[in-house]
This record gives sequence, structure tokens and C-alpha cells, in this order.
Amino acid sequence: EAGVAQSPRYKIIEKRQSVAFWCNPISGHATLYWYQQILGQGPKLLIQFQNNGVVDDSQLPKDRFSAERLKGVDSTLKIQPAKLEDSAVYLCASSLRTGLRSSYEQYFGPGTRLTVT
Amino acid sequence: DAKTTQPPSMDCAEGRAANLPCNHSTISGNEYVYWYRQIHSQGPQYIIHGLKNNETNEMASLIITEDRKSSTLILPHATLRDTAVYYCIVSRLVGNQFYFGTGTSLTVIP
Repeated sequence: EAGVAQSPRYKIIEKRQSVAFWCNPISGHATLYWYQQILGQGPKLLIQFQNNGVVDDSQLPKDRFSAERLKGVDSTLKIQPAKLEDSAVYLCASSLRTGLRSSYEQYFGPGTRLTVT
Repeated sequence: DAKTTQPPSMDCAEGRAANLPCNHSTISGNEYVYWYRQIHSQGPQYIIHGLKNNETNEMASLIITEDRKSSTLILPHATLRDTAVYYCIVSRLVGNQFYFGTGTSLTVIP
């Protein structure tokens, strides 16, 4: 089966510019996650969607970050305006979220590497 | 905040078993232990998870102590492709928010 798709793979922008990332989860996966991974650290959850509703966005810097999942499938994450400290890899993941024990595995995409100069 | 403690790095000889420890002394009764790994420049990959019984799959074995305060991931015959950062995570099965921590960087040596 096709995995989680993300685009672009790389992006370089100047501070104060805007940027958007796109994620297409595995078909049928109801739950979608966006993570931020700064160099040398583990991924940090930014936002979690269940279908098109937000389950948790407690760690999303809402003054500059926004995310949507309008039809419960694809999702976009936007940063506006970007700061130097936003340089990181942005990972998208999805999971099935049913009663099956094995369905809570999260499947990750390859990520988008953002460099803010 | 990460609820687990792992050594920052480990080496293992190719073909030998790699034993990666994890401490999770504050684990709750409804929290599972998950292991993921991240090969350089890729997204994390699920390995295995368990509640209190030992688990085994085609990739690895998970040994959880009886008091559930620590666990060990075992890669039975490490290969060079197993070189990666290994993350131990504790999380509830429902509403599973993962806190990754910094993991253990495993280097498999030829």
C-alpha cells in the first residue's frame, strides 16, 4: 500500500516569509498528526486530527502556525510568518484508529526539511 | 515531556544481538510501551509495542519487566541497516499522544 506522502521535501525561505506543507495520509487512516523535529531532538507533536476535527493542538504555536484537514483526508500546515527557530523537519503521520490492537501504529512520511534564513 | 530514559548511544557488532534498555518508572496502568526507530533522513518507523507481556515480531522482541518500570528492545541479529536512533515511548492506546524524547543512537559495527 502507498505510504504517507509529503511535499515539498525541502524548502528554504527567509524569515518573515510564509510557507505551507502538504500531507496525504494512508488511505482510510482517520487520524493525522503533524510533528516538528529540530536537529538532534526527537519529533514533537504539533497537532492531531481525528477525521477533520482537531483532537490536540496544545503544542501548536497558534500565533504563527495553522493547520487544516478540510475533508478528513489531506492536510496542510502553514507557518506565517516564519522565524529562524522554525528551521526543522516537519513530519506527517497517520494511523487507523480502530479497535484493532495493531491499528494504533503511526506511519510516518519522509518529512519536509525547512530552512529559514 | 518525555516519560522515558534511554542511553544516548550504543554500539553493537554486526550479527550480535542488540539490547536497548528503556526506563519508564512513572508508567500508568493503561499505558503501552512503544518502540520506533528513525534511520537517517527518514521518518520514524514502528517496531513493536506491548502492555505487560513480552512481545515478538519479525523485527524485534520486547521484554517488559514485571513491575513495568523498564523494558528492553532486542534486535536478535543486528545488521548494518539497523543503525538508527531508537525511541522508547509510553502512551495510552486511545488518544495516543507520543512524546519521543531523544532516543538511543545505535551504531552497528562491521
